[in-house]
Amino acid sequence: DVKVTQSSRYLVKRTGEKVFLECVQDMDHENMFWYRQDPGLGLRLIYFSYDVKMKEKGDIPEGYSVSREKKERFSLILESASTNQTSMYLCASSLETGRGFGTEAFFGQGTRLTVV
Amino acid sequence: QKEVEQNSGPLSVPEGAIASLNCTYSDRGSQSFFWYRQYSGKSPELIMFIYSNGDKEDGRFTAQLNKASQYVSLLIRDSQPSDSATYLCAVVPYGQNFVFGPGTRLSVLP
Repeated sequence: DVKVTQSSRYLVKRTGEKVFLECVQDMDHENMFWYRQDPGLGLRLIYFSYDVKMKEKGDIPEGYSVSREKKERFSLILESASTNQTSMYLCASSLETGRGFGTEAFFGQGTRLTVV
Repeated sequence: QKEVEQNSGPLSVPEGAIASLNCTYSDRGSQSFFWYRQYSGKSPELIMFIYSNGDKEDGRFTAQLNKASQYVSLLIRDSQPSDSATYLCAVVPYGQNFVFGPGTRLSVLP
Protein backbone atom coordinates (compact mmCIF):
# COMPACT_ATOMS: atom_id res chain seq x y z
CA ASP A 1 0.00 0.00 0.00
CA VAL A 2 1.45 3.34 -1.06
CA LYS A 3 2.17 5.81 1.67
CA VAL A 4 2.89 9.48 2.13
CA THR A 5 3.41 10.23 5.78
CA GLN A 6 3.50 13.65 7.39
CA SER A 7 5.22 13.94 10.73
CA SER A 8 2.41 15.66 12.64
CA ARG A 9 -1.36 15.69 12.34
CA TYR A 10 -1.81 18.79 14.50
CA LEU A 11 0.73 21.42 15.46
CA VAL A 12 0.50 24.62 17.51
CA LYS A 13 3.39 27.07 17.29
CA ARG A 14 4.08 30.59 18.48
CA THR A 15 4.59 33.60 16.23
CA GLY A 16 8.24 33.90 15.23
CA GLU A 17 9.12 30.26 15.79
CA LYS A 18 10.91 28.26 13.12
CA VAL A 19 8.66 25.38 12.12
CA PHE A 20 9.60 22.17 10.34
CA LEU A 21 7.00 20.02 8.58
CA GLU A 22 8.31 16.66 7.45
CA CYS A 23 7.01 14.41 4.71
CA VAL A 24 8.19 10.93 3.76
CA GLN A 25 7.03 8.77 0.85
CA ASP A 26 7.79 5.11 0.29
CA MET A 27 6.95 4.90 -3.43
CA ASP A 28 10.31 6.00 -4.88
CA HIS A 29 8.55 8.97 -6.51
CA GLU A 30 10.63 11.70 -8.11
CA ASN A 31 8.13 14.52 -7.61
CA MET A 32 7.13 15.88 -4.23
CA PHE A 33 4.91 18.83 -3.44
CA TRP A 34 3.84 21.03 -0.55
CA TYR A 35 0.40 22.65 -0.64
CA ARG A 36 -1.61 24.67 1.78
CA GLN A 37 -5.38 24.51 1.80
CA ASP A 38 -7.58 27.26 3.14
CA PRO A 39 -11.38 27.58 3.02
CA GLY A 40 -12.48 29.30 -0.17
CA LEU A 41 -8.94 29.33 -1.62
CA GLY A 42 -8.50 25.67 -2.49
CA LEU A 43 -5.14 23.96 -2.78
CA ARG A 44 -2.24 26.31 -3.40
CA LEU A 45 1.21 25.09 -4.33
CA ILE A 46 4.01 26.36 -2.09
CA TYR A 47 7.04 24.49 -3.42
CA PHE A 48 7.77 21.37 -5.37
CA SER A 49 10.77 19.20 -6.06
CA TYR A 50 11.43 16.90 -8.99
CA ASP A 51 14.69 15.42 -7.76
CA VAL A 52 16.97 15.27 -4.76
CA LYS A 53 18.34 18.72 -3.88
CA MET A 54 16.17 20.30 -6.58
CA LYS A 55 13.36 22.68 -5.70
CA GLU A 56 11.07 25.04 -7.53
CA LYS A 57 8.82 27.79 -6.21
CA GLY A 58 5.13 27.31 -6.53
CA ASP A 59 2.44 29.95 -6.41
CA ILE A 60 2.92 31.13 -2.81
CA PRO A 61 6.54 30.53 -1.69
CA GLU A 62 6.91 33.67 0.42
CA GLY A 63 7.71 32.90 4.05
CA TYR A 64 8.57 29.26 3.29
CA SER A 65 11.59 27.24 2.29
CA VAL A 66 12.08 23.55 1.56
CA SER A 67 14.72 20.88 1.77
CA ARG A 68 15.10 17.63 -0.10
CA GLU A 69 18.30 15.86 0.90
CA LYS A 70 16.96 12.37 0.22
CA LYS A 71 14.55 11.18 -2.45
CA GLU A 72 11.95 9.99 0.02
CA ARG A 73 11.88 13.06 2.26
CA PHE A 74 10.67 16.60 1.57
CA SER A 75 10.63 19.15 4.36
CA LEU A 76 8.76 22.44 4.53
CA ILE A 77 10.25 25.14 6.72
CA LEU A 78 8.48 28.20 8.02
CA GLU A 79 11.39 30.49 8.79
CA SER A 80 9.46 32.72 11.19
CA ALA A 81 5.90 31.56 11.70
CA SER A 82 3.15 34.13 11.44
CA THR A 83 -0.57 33.91 12.19
CA ASN A 84 -1.43 34.11 8.48
CA GLN A 85 0.37 30.81 8.03
CA THR A 86 -2.28 29.05 10.09
CA SER A 87 -3.58 26.47 7.63
CA MET A 88 -3.83 22.84 6.58
CA TYR A 89 -0.57 21.75 4.96
CA LEU A 90 -0.62 18.84 2.54
CA CYS A 91 2.35 16.97 1.16
CA ALA A 92 2.01 14.95 -2.03
CA SER A 93 4.18 12.86 -4.30
CA SER A 94 3.90 11.60 -7.85
CA LEU A 95 5.85 9.56 -10.34
CA GLU A 96 7.79 11.36 -13.05
CA THR A 97 6.91 9.74 -16.35
CA GLY A 98 9.05 11.97 -18.55
CA ARG A 99 6.40 11.82 -21.25
CA GLY A 100 4.54 15.02 -20.44
CA PHE A 101 1.67 13.18 -18.81
CA GLY A 102 0.99 13.68 -15.16
CA THR A 103 0.37 10.67 -12.97
CA GLU A 104 -1.67 10.49 -9.82
CA ALA A 105 -0.58 12.56 -6.85
CA PHE A 106 -0.72 10.73 -3.52
CA PHE A 107 -1.38 12.90 -0.50
CA GLY A 108 -0.28 12.65 3.08
CA GLN A 109 -2.81 12.91 5.87
CA GLY A 110 -2.22 16.65 6.29
CA THR A 111 -0.86 18.79 9.11
CA ARG A 112 -3.19 21.33 10.63
CA LEU A 113 -0.89 24.11 11.82
CA THR A 114 -2.07 26.82 14.16
CA VAL A 115 0.20 29.79 14.80
CA VAL A 116 -0.69 31.78 17.91
CA GLN B 1 -2.71 31.93 -15.78
CA LYS B 2 -3.85 28.35 -15.99
CA GLU B 3 -7.25 27.93 -14.38
CA VAL B 4 -9.56 25.14 -13.40
CA GLU B 5 -13.10 26.10 -12.52
CA GLN B 6 -15.76 24.23 -10.62
CA ASN B 7 -19.08 25.19 -9.16
CA SER B 8 -18.44 25.43 -5.42
CA GLY B 9 -21.89 24.10 -4.54
CA PRO B 10 -23.21 22.76 -2.34
CA LEU B 11 -24.75 20.33 -4.79
CA SER B 12 -27.53 18.45 -3.05
CA VAL B 13 -28.93 15.22 -4.46
CA PRO B 14 -31.24 12.62 -2.92
CA GLU B 15 -29.91 9.19 -2.08
CA GLY B 16 -29.97 6.92 -5.12
CA ALA B 17 -29.85 9.76 -7.65
CA ILE B 18 -27.10 10.60 -10.12
CA ALA B 19 -24.73 13.38 -9.04
CA SER B 20 -23.09 15.31 -11.85
CA LEU B 21 -19.96 17.31 -11.11
CA ASN B 22 -18.44 19.58 -13.72
CA CYS B 23 -15.05 21.14 -14.33
CA THR B 24 -13.69 23.42 -17.05
CA TYR B 25 -10.05 24.25 -17.68
CA SER B 26 -8.27 26.96 -19.58
CA ASP B 27 -5.08 25.32 -20.91
CA ARG B 28 -5.70 23.51 -24.21
CA GLY B 29 -2.40 21.68 -23.79
CA SER B 30 -3.68 19.77 -20.77
CA GLN B 31 -3.09 16.05 -21.01
CA SER B 32 -4.14 14.47 -17.73
CA PHE B 33 -7.27 14.89 -15.68
CA PHE B 34 -8.05 13.66 -12.19
CA TRP B 35 -10.95 13.63 -9.78
CA TYR B 36 -10.21 13.58 -6.06
CA ARG B 37 -12.62 13.17 -3.17
CA GLN B 38 -11.92 14.98 0.08
CA TYR B 39 -13.85 14.38 3.26
CA SER B 40 -13.95 17.19 5.78
CA GLY B 41 -10.66 17.40 7.68
CA LYS B 42 -9.06 14.69 5.56
CA SER B 43 -6.65 14.70 2.65
CA PRO B 44 -7.71 14.24 -1.00
CA GLU B 45 -7.91 10.71 -2.38
CA LEU B 46 -8.04 9.77 -6.04
CA ILE B 47 -11.38 8.67 -7.47
CA MET B 48 -10.62 8.55 -11.18
CA PHE B 49 -8.20 9.69 -13.81
CA ILE B 50 -8.77 10.11 -17.54
CA TYR B 51 -6.42 10.93 -20.38
CA SER B 52 -8.51 10.41 -23.55
CA ASN B 53 -11.70 11.93 -24.87
CA GLY B 54 -14.83 10.01 -24.01
CA ASP B 55 -16.10 8.15 -21.00
CA LYS B 56 -14.32 6.05 -18.44
CA GLU B 57 -16.30 3.99 -15.98
CA ASP B 58 -15.26 2.53 -12.64
CA GLY B 59 -18.05 1.08 -10.56
CA ARG B 60 -20.55 3.81 -9.74
CA PHE B 61 -18.24 6.51 -11.10
CA THR B 62 -17.93 7.73 -14.70
CA ALA B 63 -15.47 10.37 -15.82
CA GLN B 64 -16.19 12.18 -19.07
CA LEU B 65 -13.64 14.22 -21.01
CA ASN B 66 -14.20 16.58 -23.92
CA LYS B 67 -10.94 18.25 -24.85
CA ALA B 68 -12.49 20.33 -27.64
CA SER B 69 -14.82 21.95 -25.10
CA GLN B 70 -12.16 21.86 -22.35
CA TYR B 71 -14.57 20.13 -20.06
CA VAL B 72 -14.33 17.18 -17.72
CA SER B 73 -17.10 15.78 -15.57
CA LEU B 74 -17.70 13.14 -12.93
CA LEU B 75 -20.97 11.24 -12.65
CA ILE B 76 -21.79 9.33 -9.49
CA ARG B 77 -24.62 6.86 -9.95
CA ASP B 78 -26.77 5.57 -7.08
CA SER B 79 -25.41 8.30 -4.80
CA GLN B 80 -24.97 7.35 -1.17
CA PRO B 81 -24.70 9.55 1.95
CA SER B 82 -21.10 8.35 2.22
CA ASP B 83 -20.41 10.14 -1.09
CA SER B 84 -20.98 13.48 0.67
CA ALA B 85 -17.63 15.22 0.35
CA THR B 86 -15.81 17.88 -1.63
CA TYR B 87 -14.74 16.77 -5.09
CA LEU B 88 -11.61 18.33 -6.55
CA CYS B 89 -10.88 18.42 -10.24
CA ALA B 90 -7.16 18.44 -11.11
CA VAL B 91 -5.66 19.10 -14.51
CA VAL B 92 -2.06 18.62 -15.61
CA PRO B 93 -0.99 20.81 -18.54
CA TYR B 94 1.66 19.18 -20.71
CA GLY B 95 4.91 18.78 -18.77
CA GLN B 96 3.67 20.88 -15.87
CA ASN B 97 2.32 20.51 -12.37
CA PHE B 98 -1.18 19.82 -11.16
CA VAL B 99 -3.67 22.67 -11.25
CA PHE B 100 -6.51 22.05 -8.81
CA GLY B 101 -9.97 23.48 -8.99
CA PRO B 102 -11.59 24.97 -5.87
CA GLY B 103 -13.78 21.89 -5.40
CA THR B 104 -17.51 21.18 -5.42
CA ARG B 105 -19.17 20.26 -2.17
CA LEU B 106 -21.62 17.38 -2.66
CA SER B 107 -24.32 16.57 -0.16
CA VAL B 108 -26.31 13.33 -0.59
CA LEU B 109 -29.53 13.49 1.37
CA PRO B 110 -30.90 10.26 2.93
